[in-house]
Amino acid sequence: DQQVKQNSPSLSVQEGRISILNCDYTNSMFDYFLWYKKYPAEGPTFLISISSIKDKNEDGRFTVFLNKSAKHLSLHIVPSQPGDSAVYFCAASDMEYGNKLVFGAGTILRVKS
Amino acid sequence: ETGVTQTPRHLVMGMTNKKSLKCEQHLGHNAMYWYKQSAKKPLELMFVYNFKEQTENNSVPSRFSPECPNSSHLFLHLHTLQPEDSALYLCASSPSRLGAYEQYFGPGTRLTVT
Repeated sequence: DQQVKQNSPSLSVQEGRISILNCDYTNSMFDYFLWYKKYPAEGPTFLISISSIKDKNEDGRFTVFLNKSAKHLSLHIVPSQPGDSAVYFCAASDMEYGNKLVFGAGTILRVKS
Repeated sequence: ETGVTQTPRHLVMGMTNKKSLKCEQHLGHNAMYWYKQSAKKPLELMFVYNFKEQTENNSVPSRFSPECPNSSHLFLHLHTLQPEDSALYLCASSPSRLGAYEQYFGPGTRLTVT
């Protein structure tokens, strides 16, 4: 039973436009959420995170939004660049999990130039 | 470069072979992890070590045997694997304190079992 779900296996966006990647979770105890980015032949790298006490966190072109009532978070990339083409993983955790993360299956983002 | 290295990067082994994967982190972290990533599936947590002690074994078959001799090194010993064990094996590390959620990943070992 997947606690973190990324229902879109892939997304294709034109360069300069907005990319929106979505993630849903089922465990209401999750209180911290992260996005990781993965290029082929590399490990995932941390991108941005958000605590459950916030509903938005912004870092440059990347913004994560959290809707706790809907158990939904999204990652917005504006403007999208070809170098953003990668697999994006959503992950979640809570104090009960300690330092363990639960990952989604990932969304492949392709940014076309 | 994330400060976490893994060797080898690629490994092909037969079902009767014994091999080991190595992970080393240079970040001063005290928690280390092994994950398995199969195509189109979430990263599956296999093992967690905190301060060299195993604190999590996520129902991993005994043909996978982890070893953590110190906080900087983590090994995954493999023996009599099955073709379905072919996957990308990722090592990660993090601080061991509560609330330190960010994990830093190595590049992974692509394992093929023939």
